[in-house]
Order: sequence, then structure tokens, then C-alpha cells
Amino acid sequence: AQTVTQSQPEMSVQEAETVTLSCTYDTSENNYYLFWYKQPPSRQMILVIRQEAYKQQNATENRFSVNFQKAAKSFSLKISDSQLGDTAMYFCAFATGANSKLTFGKGITLSVRP
Amino acid sequence: GAGVSQSPSNKVTEKGKDVELRCDPISGHTALYWYRQSLGQGLEFLIYFQGNSAPDKSGLPSDRFSAERTGGSVSTLTIQRTQQEDSAVYLCASSLGRGPHYEQYFGPGTRLTVT
Repeated sequence: AQTVTQSQPEMSVQEAETVTLSCTYDTSENNYYLFWYKQPPSRQMILVIRQEAYKQQNATENRFSVNFQKAAKSFSLKISDSQLGDTAMYFCAFATGANSKLTFGKGITLSVRP
Repeated sequence: GAGVSQSPSNKVTEKGKDVELRCDPISGHTALYWYRQSLGQGLEFLIYFQGNSAPDKSGLPSDRFSAERTGGSVSTLTIQRTQQEDSAVYLCASSLGRGPHYEQYFGPGTRLTVT
């Protein structure tokens, strides 16, 4: 079974600064995907970024980038130039196989201070 | 285009009653997922549909929970004889195909409160 661990329940960052959210996972699979989802107060889960395990290059999406360390089973999210709209819960998630059901971590509440 | 929609947005029910939660996926999406988000358990997978069949029901917590999908589109999650521990936000997601390389698009969820 796969597990995803987010050990920090909450973090706070000043607007325009950089913040890193941590995530570790455990799996015996070789082919899998990792994701970061954002859930604002509206409850709508939005995909922020994803990483395919067989790709060594870290994924980037504008201000969002990941540090994927496959051997260490670590998948952290870096948010650069934090904006007030980044305030939300962030979930790290894992998926593999044909049914691709997502296994989520417990999430982290990120607050961006003006 | 239209995203995933869910109804009702909020549902309050008495313990012991049955409830039905509806999910309308994005048109053309063949895969559909139900997840549950609760304070105690976090976000957990319930069931996955490919077309109208459900090859993975492993996350359904008890036989009080069932789901169906008709016409490869709308899905209904039914909870019979609701219990207080069923109180949670029920999220639906759909994707264009099967496999983790297809992005899952989530609906806004149904908040269920069992009193």
C-alpha cells in the first residue's frame, strides 16, 4: 500500500516571499505520479503541479516548482513570489496503476500574510 | 466549458435516513471517482468508475454505501441508514481516460451533515 505523509499541519509566509511545503511517500512501485493539489475555501480542488516518477527533471509551473528526490521518496513544493491568492490547503498525492486513484496526504494549511 | 458539478451543495439529514449525492462529470470524461474528506480521516478514495462499471470499489467503508453510474455520465452515491460518522465532504472527480497521466478534475463537493 502507498502512504503519503505531510508532517507540517500549517505554515505562514509573507507576501512575495518563497515557501516550501514538504511531502514524503512510501511505495514499492516503480512507475507512479506525484501531485500537489490546492484547495481554497471554496472546496474546489485544483491541480497545481505533477511529476512523473520516471522523469528526472523537476516539474515547474510558473511560480510553482517541485524538488523530487526519488531515492529519498521526497516531493516538496516550492512557491515563489507568494501571493495572497495562494492561501489555501495544499495536498500532496500519489497515483499509480490503471485506476489511478489518488492517495492523499493530510494536507497543510498555507497562509500568505500581506 | 462546464466543469464537474455536484448536487446538493449541502445536505443535512437525520441519523438513519438515506441520502443520494449526485455528480455530473465533464462531458466526454470516461473515468469518474468519488472521494470523502473528513476531519478524522483526511481525503480518502471511495470508488472508481470506468464507463458504467466500477472496477475498484475498495474504498467504500461499509455496505451502506453504494454508487452507480448511468450512460457513462452522471453518478449517484447513495448512503443508507446514515450515521454521524458519515458526516463529511464528498468530492467527485472525472478524467478523460484511465491512468494517472490523465488529470482528475474535481467538483465543489457535497457537505453532508448527519444529525
